[in-house]
Amino acid sequence: DGGITQSPKYLFRKEGQNVTLSCEQNLNHDAMYWYRQDPGQGLRLIYYSQIVNDFQKGDIAEGYSVSREKKESFPLTVTSAQKNPTAFYLCASSMRGGLPSGNTIYFGEGSWLTVV
Amino acid sequence: QKEVEQNSGPLSVPEGAIASLNCTYSDRVSQSFFWYRQYSGKSPELIMSIYSNGDKEDGRFTAQLNKASQYVSLLIRDSQPSDSATYLCAVKDNQGGKLIFGQGTELSVKP
Repeated sequence: DGGITQSPKYLFRKEGQNVTLSCEQNLNHDAMYWYRQDPGQGLRLIYYSQIVNDFQKGDIAEGYSVSREKKESFPLTVTSAQKNPTAFYLCASSMRGGLPSGNTIYFGEGSWLTVV
Repeated sequence: QKEVEQNSGPLSVPEGAIASLNCTYSDRVSQSFFWYRQYSGKSPELIMSIYSNGDKEDGRFTAQLNKASQYVSLLIRDSQPSDSATYLCAVKDNQGGKLIFGQGTELSVKP
């Protein structure tokens, strides 16, 4: 089945640890995104990538890092510099292009990260 | 900074009624608008997309877009308890193609 796979679904992090969230898509989408959602809040953009080996910071990139070595993969590392990482993390992807009628963004099932 | 605004709710409607959800956006040149539904603890799922002024209907859902007034709305006819969820309005940023989300409106449909 085509889709976006995030893992793990639940992750616990100790203070001072780095953790990496995996995101893989087999939709042949060019663009990939990472959003963060806090309880009762909307989604905030962490990083996004439109092509392999290139990515841009979103609104809340501090304390996070990403890589885009393969088209289908866009892992997110939550570093120890992120002081309040407990949240729901959503990976998404879309085709890349200029037409407004296309390029719908689809989401994976999300990963819950809790600091213990 | 480009913004998308929604009333956080909760919006409560009786079963069978019409639920009306509203959203305003700040970037006048935006062209693509989306409504996502999110159940508690789940990821957002796309309900509707709209790109042209006017109404777009899909089953019980109607999206309305008014670019001059910079608002987009979602109407849900014959609301069902299963429609109870948070509805997220999203506007596509022309620079980079990323989506900018509102904070979401919580809808509760009472039997």
